[in-house]
Amino acid sequence: QVQLQESGPGLVKPSGTLSLTCAVSGDSISSSNWWSWVRQPPGEGLEWIGELYHGGTISYNPSLESRVTISVDKSRNHFSLKLTSVTAADTAMYYCARNGFFSLDYWGQGTLVTVSS
Amino acid sequence: EIVLTQSPGTLSLSPGERATLSCRASQSVSSSYLAWYQQKPGQAPRLLIYGASYRATGIPDRFSGSASGTDFSLIISRLEPEDFAVYYCQQYGSSPLYTFGQGTKLEIK
Repeated sequence: QVQLQESGPGLVKPSGTLSLTCAVSGDSISSSNWWSWVRQPPGEGLEWIGELYHGGTISYNPSLESRVTISVDKSRNHFSLKLTSVTAADTAMYYCARNGFFSLDYWGQGTLVTVSS
Repeated sequence: EIVLTQSPGTLSLSPGERATLSCRASQSVSSSYLAWYQQKPGQAPRLLIYGASYRATGIPDRFSGSASGTDFSLIISRLEPEDFAVYYCQQYGSSPLYTFGQGTKLEIK
């Protein structure tokens, strides 16, 4: 059974860097799948952040591209998200997910990141 | 950017009734690229339908999806108590690669 688990600090200071990791089990990060990050501000809808393929191909949401980096650690079967220069608008539940057939078929439980001093 | 508009914003129905949720795309979207998700409070979204009409693994057959041009529908044939949640449609392929509708809240009447 495929499982994803996000981890990282729950509180980040304004202008700081948000860093999260997604640990994957039940599938190999080096399989034919792509892997995504999605976020959801409290009480709001879903926003796709970006996706990664283990071979190094990455795509980002243009609205975040200047601040986002997604990377993979194949040896640890996990992938990561870094978002720089955060503001209160980046406060959200952050989810990692596996890309399925033009959809996101497995999701982590999510981790809430609050941007506050 | 393709915008997905879901309607209604809130749908109030009773268990046992039929629910029809709509998602309209601002531009043409291939049926292969349209998915539906269910999200309950405090939980991650769960994939229900992909390719506009294919049920994801483990999804009951009371859930179905259809497409007609730029209009997509999610139909729940007979509502069960556990079906009351927020539903999102999602498209793939236009920049950004994945975009979501704003959601429809299905609440108990």
